[in-house]
Amino acid sequence: DQQVKQNSPSLSVQEGRISILNCDYTNSMFDYFLWYKKYPAEGPTFLISISSIKDKNEDGRFTVFLNKSAKHLSLHIVPSQPGDSAVYFCAASAYGQNFVFGPGTRLSVLP
Amino acid sequence: IAGITQAPTSQILAAGRRMTLRCTQDMRHNAMYWYRQDLGLGLRLIHYSNTAGTTGKGEVPDGYSVSRANTDDFPLTLASAVPSQTSVYFCASSDTGTSPGSDTQYFGPGTRLTVL
Repeated sequence: DQQVKQNSPSLSVQEGRISILNCDYTNSMFDYFLWYKKYPAEGPTFLISISSIKDKNEDGRFTVFLNKSAKHLSLHIVPSQPGDSAVYFCAASAYGQNFVFGPGTRLSVLP
Repeated sequence: IAGITQAPTSQILAAGRRMTLRCTQDMRHNAMYWYRQDLGLGLRLIHYSNTAGTTGKGEVPDGYSVSRANTDDFPLTLASAVPSQTSVYFCASSDTGTSPGSDTQYFGPGTRLTVL
């Protein structure tokens, strides 16, 4: 059973609008979360992180929200740009152990 | 070289053959990792190394072996390839090996392997 789930395999958003990518996890011991972005034929690249002591972390157009009681985090991209079209992976770790990745969500930002 | 390089970029392999995927990093990172990416399953950890001379098993280690003779190189070997090992393989590294789950990982471009 997957410990990190991204239930939307794909998402399409109009340029300039908000993109919201969701991630759910089952292991309550997870205390550190990352989002990676992946373009075709390239390796994933780090986007933003959040520790369980926070409920929000912001970096430019990207904001990650963490709801520990719901075991849910989300990545908001505002405003969305065509260059944001990629696959987004959520990853989680517990007490510094190796990361567990979700299956990814493919975001398409339409011009 | 900048970052992580992987070779080959892609490979078609007959079942039963031996194959080594190469990974080299020039960032002097302590920890290195091998993942496989399969549709609907995301990235799954095969093996990792927290520092040169040590290795550990990840989530899906069966059929794979690794070695870490020095800081820069972390080859992944398939002793006798099977079709279920058809996947995209990513090597990654991170600065600290003592707490890998609190450290950003840097990924290589991947190797696409097809086992027939």
